[in-house]
Amino acid sequence: AQTVTQSQPEMSVQEAETVTLSCTYDTSESDYYLFWYKQPPSRQMILVIRQEAYKQQNATENRFSVNFQKAAKSFSLKISDSQLGDAAMYFCAYTGTYKYIFGTGTRLKVLA
Amino acid sequence: GAVVSQHPSWVICKSGTSVKIECRSLDFQATTMFWYRQFPKQSLMLMATSNEGSKATYEQGVEKDKFLINHASLTLSTLTVTSAHPEDSSFYICSARKTGTVAKNIQYFGAGTRLSVL
Repeated sequence: AQTVTQSQPEMSVQEAETVTLSCTYDTSESDYYLFWYKQPPSRQMILVIRQEAYKQQNATENRFSVNFQKAAKSFSLKISDSQLGDAAMYFCAYTGTYKYIFGTGTRLKVLA
Repeated sequence: GAVVSQHPSWVICKSGTSVKIECRSLDFQATTMFWYRQFPKQSLMLMATSNEGSKATYEQGVEKDKFLINHASLTLSTLTVTSAHPEDSSFYICSARKTGTVAKNIQYFGAGTRLSVL
């Protein structure tokens, strides 16, 4: 069975600084997708970034980028130039066939 | 765009009554929709997968007679909590996948429904 692990329940970052959120996963599938979702206090889930497993190039979306290490089954999210609006719960998610498997989440606090 | 509308956003009901939550994909067709439950400060727990025109697939431990799911069209799925009790109070979130696109593995989420059963 597939699993997703986020080992950092909470992280803090100073405004304008960079922070990295960790995610590891376990799977025997060769074709899969990985995602980072943001859940602000409104609780609306927002897609931050996604990575196809067959692509070696790390995905980037403006200030957000991932470090995808397929052999190590690691998928970390780097947030550059952190802003107050980045404060939220961040969930790592895996999908192979159709279901998502979510990690337990990391609460990110941004300090002014 | 890929907008998913969920209604109502908050509902309070008396114990023993039934509550219906709607999930609509506004600008795309969704063959598959998902229903999640989220307890405070916890992750999303998949309850069931809703497929248009067929019966929903429930996750282990989820009572299908308690949580009725109907996916009657390509843009609408409903979750009915029957004979709700205080332990059913939670945050319910739906999501939808676009049909027939390269990005078919992306789920787009509704804003959630807070259910409070008195």
